[in-house]
Amino acid sequence: EAGVAQSPRYKIIEKRQSVAFWCNPISGHATLYWYQQILGQGPKLLIQFQNNGVVDDSQLPKDRFSAERLKGVDSTLKIQPAKLEDSAVYLCASSSLPGPATEAFFGQGTRLTVV
Amino acid sequence: AQSVTQLGSHVSVSEGALVLLRCNYSSSVPPYLFWYVQYPNQGLQLLLKYTTGATLVKGINGFEAEFKKSETSFHLTKPSAHMSDAAEYFCAVSHSGGYNKLIFGAGTRLAVHP
Repeated sequence: EAGVAQSPRYKIIEKRQSVAFWCNPISGHATLYWYQQILGQGPKLLIQFQNNGVVDDSQLPKDRFSAERLKGVDSTLKIQPAKLEDSAVYLCASSSLPGPATEAFFGQGTRLTVV
Repeated sequence: AQSVTQLGSHVSVSEGALVLLRCNYSSSVPPYLFWYVQYPNQGLQLLLKYTTGATLVKGINGFEAEFKKSETSFHLTKPSAHMSDAAEYFCAVSHSGGYNKLIFGAGTRLAVHP
């Protein structure tokens, strides 16, 4: 089966600019996650969707980050305006079920550099 | 609150030697524990997971891990390292009763030398 697709793979922007990332999960996966992985740290969950709805966005900096999941399939994550500390790899993942024991499948990520 | 501590940000072993990557967790409820591997420029891939039942869990590529509740540990081992095992390894925890929110450790980069 096809894996989780993300684009772009790399992005360099100046601070205060905006940027958007796109994710296409594995077909049929109802649960979608966005993680932020800062260099030298483990991934941190930003937001989790169950179909169209948000089930956890407690660690999403809502003053600058936004995310949506259209029709319960693709998702976009936006940053506006970007700060230097947003430099990180943004990972999208999906799983077939929302339960805590379910395997999450990760995309290759988008590496964002803010200069 | 849950947390994960991985001891040693870098581990280096010889090809054929034992691999031991350490993970300790903190959780007020019974945990679900995971090990993920990340090869350069790739996403994370599940190696193995512990949910309930047998405390010794076998995963892909010859890796295994043992859940020790008394030590709050979930160390990853492999009897004989291969060059292809060089990657970054992440331990993660979630818990029953909630959605699949994974809390990751900071990762351990494994180097394998001839």
